Amino acid sequence: GENVEQHPSTLSVQEGDSAVIKCTYSDSASNYFPWYKQELGKGPQLIIDIRSNVGEKKDQRIAVTLNKTAKHFSLHITETQPEDSAVYFCAASMGTGNQFYFGTGTSLTVIP
Amino acid sequence: DADVTQTPRNRITKTGKRIMLECSQTKGHDRMYWYRQDPGLGLRLIYYSFDVKDINKGEISDGYSVSRQAQAKFSLSLESAIPNQTALYFCATSDQARGVGELFFGEGSRLTVL
Repeated sequence: GENVEQHPSTLSVQEGDSAVIKCTYSDSASNYFPWYKQELGKGPQLIIDIRSNVGEKKDQRIAVTLNKTAKHFSLHITETQPEDSAVYFCAASMGTGNQFYFGTGTSLTVIP
Repeated sequence: DADVTQTPRNRITKTGKRIMLECSQTKGHDRMYWYRQDPGLGLRLIYYSFDVKDINKGEISDGYSVSRQAQAKFSLSLESAIPNQTALYFCATSDQARGVGELFFGEGSRLTVL
């Protein structure tokens, strides 16, 4: 099956700096790559996603890039704010909607 | 009110007890999922269901069973709980009409097995 690796496991940045979280996947059949944000005591919530026919997608301060050849994708958060502090999960899916393979999570702390 | 509601939110039980975690949704989605979250392991799929008559095993189904009582209700059971089933459990839904897409998660059920 698919294997998704996520790095780093923890990340601390100063407010206003950028944060980058990286994921790799193993199965070239995966074609949908969402990113979820989990705030303390809550369930994960989708913040951005990308499909395999697109190399980059941006939504205000967050962006995701995908390199299909290298099988890796990354989340970029610019101008970080304290409310960006949370656990972030990447995931990969083969497009049938039955299996989402999640990374192990990155705990991001934005220091005011 | 939350679109995906899980009960109970917290439960402490003893080894060997039967436990049921319940999930109900008001989103009208046909797909429902149960995930388990452990520190350092991310989210792992236990079971999923695409409609009332469709139940499928995920990565880690051993020791668990599910019931899809209605389109809006999906329950997870631990027939005989053991300590390594201590974890945070999430129910999620998605909309089949959109194909593969966003998962909507409940707020989680924290289970402790002593």
